[in-house]
Amino acid sequence: DTGVSQDPRHKITKRGQNVTFRCDPISEHNRLYWYRQTLGQGPEFLTYFQNEAQLEKSRLLSDRFSAERPKGSFSTLEIQRTEQGDSAMYLCASSLHSTNEKLFFGSGTQLSVL
Amino acid sequence: AQKVTQAQTEISVVEKEDVTLDCVYETRDTTYYLFWYKQPPSGELVFLIRRNSFDEQNEISGRYSWNFQKSTSSFNFTITASQVVDSAVYFCALSDISGGSNYKLTFGKGTLLTVNP
Repeated sequence: DTGVSQDPRHKITKRGQNVTFRCDPISEHNRLYWYRQTLGQGPEFLTYFQNEAQLEKSRLLSDRFSAERPKGSFSTLEIQRTEQGDSAMYLCASSLHSTNEKLFFGSGTQLSVL
Repeated sequence: AQKVTQAQTEISVVEKEDVTLDCVYETRDTTYYLFWYKQPPSGELVFLIRRNSFDEQNEISGRYSWNFQKSTSSFNFTITASQVVDSAVYFCALSDISGGSNYKLTFGKGTLLTVNP
């Protein structure tokens, strides 16, 4: 399967713990995005990378959140000291910067903070 | 600030009926993109269409058609002869291209479409 892969699919953690999610984009895609989706809502933009550079961060991304894309391939999203309000689906997407750019989403990581 | 409104929270139809999903957007940008995505129960968002703000021509793709009207800031989506497999949540989205990316998207809350056999 050559689509966007996210790991894990589900994560249950206790409040105050740190969690890390991984995203593997489509191999030739140079742009990578993180979105968050809560129940009954549409996805919300968190941040995006072009290659290894993080070009934009939403104000939704508090200091407890950090995203990296060290070699311009896979990306990680870490949440420190998780709170119950962090419970959501975290979606990764990738695209190839071009005139006919299309964004492909992964299936997401469902985080539940108890 | 950008905003996308999908006033229909849930729609239920019987198979073979036509159904229209409404989308109204707000933006101060003169150049933007509009999108529709489908989210089946599996959770993965599936791209359906991207429309440039300068292109108001309606588009048809099989049973799907889109009506873009800049005058009313609407980008409605019609499924003709609906099928059970069309059951999903459908999202309308608007891009903010100020950061150089076409995909910093503002999504609506989605419309849950249920097609009954």
